[in-house]
Amino acid sequence: AQSVAQPEDQVNVAEGNPLTVKCTYSVSGNPYLFWYVQYPNRGLQFLLKYITGDNLVKGSYGFEAEFNKSQTSFHLKKPSALVSDSALYFCAVRDYRSGGYQKVTFGTGTKLQVIP
Amino acid sequence: DAGVTQSPTHLIKTRGQHVTLRCSPISGHKSVSWYQQVLGQGPQFIFQYYEKEERGRGNFPDRFSARQFPNYSSELNVNALLLGDSALYLCASSLKVPETQYFGPGTRLLVL
Repeated sequence: AQSVAQPEDQVNVAEGNPLTVKCTYSVSGNPYLFWYVQYPNRGLQFLLKYITGDNLVKGSYGFEAEFNKSQTSFHLKKPSALVSDSALYFCAVRDYRSGGYQKVTFGTGTKLQVIP
Repeated sequence: DAGVTQSPTHLIKTRGQHVTLRCSPISGHKSVSWYQQVLGQGPQFIFQYYEKEERGRGNFPDRFSARQFPNYSSELNVNALLLGDSALYLCASSLKVPETQYFGPGTRLLVL
């Protein structure tokens, strides 16, 4: 069974400092990995994805993520945090199988608090 | 272009009742997925439809059902509501399978 772990319930970072939100995954097939952000009382917004290719993926709002196959990790990063980045971040993995069947599993979320 | 839309935005039901939630995907998107997000947790996958056929099902009881219409909009039906069904129900659409999913704002269901 596939799974996603976000080991930190909350990450606090000072404005202007780099931030990292951690994610590890487990799938039996090839992983498709995603990061989404959720603001209060809103749906999820897509940030970035990894399917194949470069291990460093660049996404929206200056975020990037590094895929590490050996460590089965897909950590989200940003060089300089903004107060407006404060939100709930979800990592997700899709285990794509032949025939189009798919199941997407989300992590439990990490609350990012950027302190002015 | 309009994003994914869901209706209603909020809903209050009592135990044992039935509820229907609706979703309209982004224009051109042929796949719709449904998720349940309980407060403090990540979204849990319920169903995925592509070209009006079910392509994925999560670990939810048979009280949950869904369908996709010829215009690719979708309905999620939940029968015999339980208190534990109180959650934010999210719909996501994508061009095809597998592709990036784009989420709607959700329907917040409260079961009393």
